Amino acid sequence: AQTVTQSQPEMSVQEAETVTLSCTYDTSESDYYLFWYKQPPSRQMILVIRQEAYKQQNATENRFSVNFQKAAKSFSLKISDSQLGDAAMYFCAYRSGYGGSQGNLIFGKGTKLSVKP
Amino acid sequence: DARVTQTPRHKVTEMGQEVTMRCQPILGHNTVFWYRQTMMQGLELLAYFRNRAPLDDSGMPKDRFSAEMPDATLATLKIQPSEPRDSAVYFCASGNRGTTNEKLFFGSGTQLSVL
Repeated sequence: AQTVTQSQPEMSVQEAETVTLSCTYDTSESDYYLFWYKQPPSRQMILVIRQEAYKQQNATENRFSVNFQKAAKSFSLKISDSQLGDAAMYFCAYRSGYGGSQGNLIFGKGTKLSVKP
Repeated sequence: DARVTQTPRHKVTEMGQEVTMRCQPILGHNTVFWYRQTMMQGLELLAYFRNRAPLDDSGMPKDRFSAEMPDATLATLKIQPSEPRDSAVYFCASGNRGTTNEKLFFGSGTQLSVL
């Protein structure tokens, strides 16, 4: 079974600085997708960024980028120029490309990010 | 903006009562998921529908939980009878499986408290 591990329950960053959130996963599959979701206090789960396993190039979305290390099964999220609105829970998630439940997301436990003004 | 709509946003009930949570997926999406979020377990899949057919409900306690999609615009999650351990936030999400840039969109969740 696939697992997703986020080893940092909480992180803190100064406004305008850069922070990296860690995520590792375990799978024997070769076809899969990885995601970072943001959950602010409003509870809404918001997709931040997505990475296809077959792509070597790291995904980027404005101030958000990932460091995808397939061999190491590592998928970290880097937030540049942190803003107060980035404060939230961040969840790393895995989705298989195979099988009947191929749409199912498997989530890590989350990292709570605080942004200091 | 298209969004997934969940009702109610909050629900407080007493143990033994029936609870029904509703979800309106984004029009045109062919997959619907129900997730449960608790502090201890995090986000867990309860049920997964594709084209309104249940594909996976292995994460759902069958004796008290049921999930249905009576039509393409409505998904329901029912708990009968409810228990205090069911207290959690229940999320519905929809997506369009088979597209090249498939994404899951989540509703705002139903926070359930069973006393």
